[in-house]
Amino acid sequence: AQTVTQSQPEMSVQEAETVTLSCTYDTSESNYYLFWYKQPPSRQMILVIRQEAYKQQNATENRFSVNFQKAAKSFSLKISDSQLGDTAMYFCAFMKREYGNKLVFGAGTILRVKS
Amino acid sequence: DTAVSQTPKYLVTQMGNDKSIKCEQNLGHDTMYWYKQDSKKFLKIMFSYNNKELIINETVPNRFSPKSPDKAHLNLHINSLELGDSAVYFCASSFAGWAGELFFGEGSRLTVL
Repeated sequence: AQTVTQSQPEMSVQEAETVTLSCTYDTSESNYYLFWYKQPPSRQMILVIRQEAYKQQNATENRFSVNFQKAAKSFSLKISDSQLGDTAMYFCAFMKREYGNKLVFGAGTILRVKS
Repeated sequence: DTAVSQTPKYLVTQMGNDKSIKCEQNLGHDTMYWYKQDSKKFLKIMFSYNNKELIINETVPNRFSPKSPDKAHLNLHINSLELGDSAVYFCASSFAGWAGELFFGEGSRLTVL
């Protein structure tokens, strides 16, 4: 079974600065996907970024980028130029390449952006 | 238009009651899911349906019964509610096929007293 570990329960960052959230996972699969989801206080789950395991290039979406280290099974999220609206719970998630699209989530990291 | 909508958003009920949460998606997806988020914010899949067929059932008590009348709807019925059922229940949808992005509803907060 796959497991996802987020070792930082809470983090804070000053507005406009950069922060990195950590995620490690355990799997014996070679084909899979990794995701970062954001859950603001509104409770809505929002996809931030997605990474295909077969792609060596790290995914980027505007101010959000990942550092994907497949051998180390590490998938960290970097948020540049942090904004107050980035305050949220961030979940790392794993999806095995199989019928059913089952997401396995980490425990989450609360990120607080301070002005 | 809301892509994945759940009703009700909040539900407070007594132990032992039966309740339902409804979910509808207008994205044309063929796969729908129920996830449970507990008091510690941990998210775990409960069920997944593809074209009305159950494809994932994750060790969920029999008191939970999903029903999918068509591929745009997935309802969750819970019998004999227990205190431990208190949680936020998220509906989601996607296209089948690997790594289809999941679109989540706003969640339904269930409180059992």
